[in-house]
Amino acid sequence: DVKVTQSSRYLVKRTGEKVFLECVQDMDHENMFWYRQDPGLGLRLIYFSYDVKMKEKGDIPEGYSVSREKKERFSLILESASTNQTSMYLCASSLVPRGRETQYFGPGTRLLVL
Amino acid sequence: AQKITQTQPGMFVQEKEAVTLDCTYDTSDPSYGLFWYKQPSSGEMIFLIYQGSYDQQNATEGRYSLNFQKARKSANLVISASQLGDSAMYFCAMREGSGNNDMRFGAGTRLTVKP
Repeated sequence: DVKVTQSSRYLVKRTGEKVFLECVQDMDHENMFWYRQDPGLGLRLIYFSYDVKMKEKGDIPEGYSVSREKKERFSLILESASTNQTSMYLCASSLVPRGRETQYFGPGTRLLVL
Repeated sequence: AQKITQTQPGMFVQEKEAVTLDCTYDTSDPSYGLFWYKQPSSGEMIFLIYQGSYDQQNATEGRYSLNFQKARKSANLVISASQLGDSAMYFCAMREGSGNNDMRFGAGTRLTVKP
């Protein structure tokens, strides 16, 4: 079974702190994704990566950056956390995104920025 | 522009009854795929069912079926014989055949199954 893990289930940070969210997948997937999930808005794509050291902006990249130094690991970085970044963050991975190839999701990280 | 619309923020269904969760989508790409995911309170998104735009028949996976009406651009999820464990958030998503191939998600529907 595909396994996607995220470093923390819950995080509490202060405004202005630098925050690292880590995601690891064990199925040698080329593609990895970071979403944020907010009530009434569903999942919105922040960044995705289709290969090591490659990244593409999603719909809401402002205030975030990412790093993919190894194929299995995709990190989301909040350079200076703000209260409007309080949200649920979901990581996902997939093979080449075509046809019925689904994305596999991690358990999510609930981030609270005070 | 919102490409996936789920108009039901919340739904209730009696245990053992069937329920339909609505999803409409917008695309001009002739090739696309539609996905449904379940998200229990634990947070993890679970893939349920897939429908391709060129598939001739509606997809089915156990108690899940997809009522695909291409001309109306709707892809409603039907859950038969609801169980208490079906209580969760349900998300409809679409991936177009062109472009970045990333997924677009709807806002979700919270389903509550009553005993």
